[in-house]
Amino acid sequence: DTGVSQDPRHKITKRGQNVTFRCDPISEHNRLYWYRQTLGQGPEFLTYFQNEAQLEKSRLLSDRFSAERPKGSFSTLEIQRTEQGDSAMYLCASSLIGRANYGYTFGSGTRLTVV
Amino acid sequence: GIQVEQSPPDLILQEGANSTLRCNFSDSVNNLQWFHQNPWGQLINLFYIPSGTKQNGRLSATTVATERYSLLYISSSQTTDSGVYFCAVGVGAGGTSYGKLTFGQGTILTVHP
Repeated sequence: DTGVSQDPRHKITKRGQNVTFRCDPISEHNRLYWYRQTLGQGPEFLTYFQNEAQLEKSRLLSDRFSAERPKGSFSTLEIQRTEQGDSAMYLCASSLIGRANYGYTFGSGTRLTVV
Repeated sequence: GIQVEQSPPDLILQEGANSTLRCNFSDSVNNLQWFHQNPWGQLINLFYIPSGTKQNGRLSATTVATERYSLLYISSSQTTDSGVYFCAVGVGAGGTSYGKLTFGQGTILTVHP
């Protein structure tokens, strides 16, 4: 068990470009979550999957954001036409539903800077 | 949506001191977790505790669900305890969490040697 992996760790992009982040959850976990955190704030929920089904999306997730989890394994989060307000840490977490402990395991995050 | 308030916002301690962090939430929850975010940004799950009391070494947590609050106790604090402590709550039905967690603003803990 290598934990939750996120790639890349850092991404600098120009405004208007598209970016894609990847998350590899703990292999036995069936739920995967995406959060966004800005400086001085707690993480904000974006979306989550149970297996390959996307069960909930936050209103924060505009039409420029899309997430996928093909085959219920890794997940990708794409941001199209990036804006400076998209600059943040994007966090992925996973958990195993069906067990008594629903504790999340977070990855180290992808820090996005839009210039 | 559910509101989560943490107090105090900042806490400064000398090594060896004890502390209590509080989390109040505005509605019934079936998922409550405490996290520590270290100075490098990594979020570490400390407890999953929607009700009752748990202990793990120098840390313990108590959630009184009927009164909508949770407490995190840190005893004999160490410099490595520094960072931000977050409480996060979730709602659901039938014993199953809906998945989404709402985080508080956090308590920034600084432990001096």
